[in-house]
Amino acid sequence: NAGVTQTPKFRVLKTGQSMTLLCAQDMNHEYMYWYRQDPGMGLRLIHYSVGEGTTAKGEVPDGYNVSRLKKQNFLLGLESAAPSQTSVYFCASTPALVTRGEAFFGQGTRLTVV
Amino acid sequence: AQTVTQSQPEMSVQEAETVTLSCTYDTSESDYYLFWYKQPPSRQMILVIRQEAYKQQNATENRFSVNFQKAAKSFSLKISDSQLGDAAMYFCAYRSGYGGATNKLIFGTGTLLAVQP
Repeated sequence: NAGVTQTPKFRVLKTGQSMTLLCAQDMNHEYMYWYRQDPGMGLRLIHYSVGEGTTAKGEVPDGYNVSRLKKQNFLLGLESAAPSQTSVYFCASTPALVTRGEAFFGQGTRLTVV
Repeated sequence: AQTVTQSQPEMSVQEAETVTLSCTYDTSESDYYLFWYKQPPSRQMILVIRQEAYKQQNATENRFSVNFQKAAKSFSLKISDSQLGDAAMYFCAYRSGYGGATNKLIFGTGTLLAVQP
């Protein structure tokens, strides 16, 4: 089925460890986004990309890095995990123009940093 | 920068009754889209309804309808004949109608809706 796939679904990290979350979409969408969801704070944009090879900072980019080497993939990296990064992470993709379609979301990744 | 505000952290409604969730937004753009997303306990994000800013007519999808007040920058969601399956977190979202690097999908903080049997 077409859609957005996030890997992994769950992860527990120790403080200071690093990890990469993978987001893959097969809809040829130009835009991809990474959000974190925390209680009472909604979905906050971490980084986003408007095309292959381009990324931009969102609302809460500190402590995260991203890369979009291929149009279908958007990677979110944590170089040195901190307990404050415990959250549920969502990836989403959209066409460049809203008139061409809606946003699709991955199923989320629950990350716990201990 | 655009912002989306949901001032009701939690709401409750009796089954079969009607409930309205509030959303306000701030933007200087004239071309944009507004959305309501539903997030059940499964964490899946489900699009409920979408409104184009250039359309004066309020969007409707079965039991879900919006009250779009462009001048007031208000975008409320009305759920009629509430069902137990409507219980979820509801997010209001904004997206620019223009392409380019500033085109982001921005969310409010959400409203947790409980449906009482």
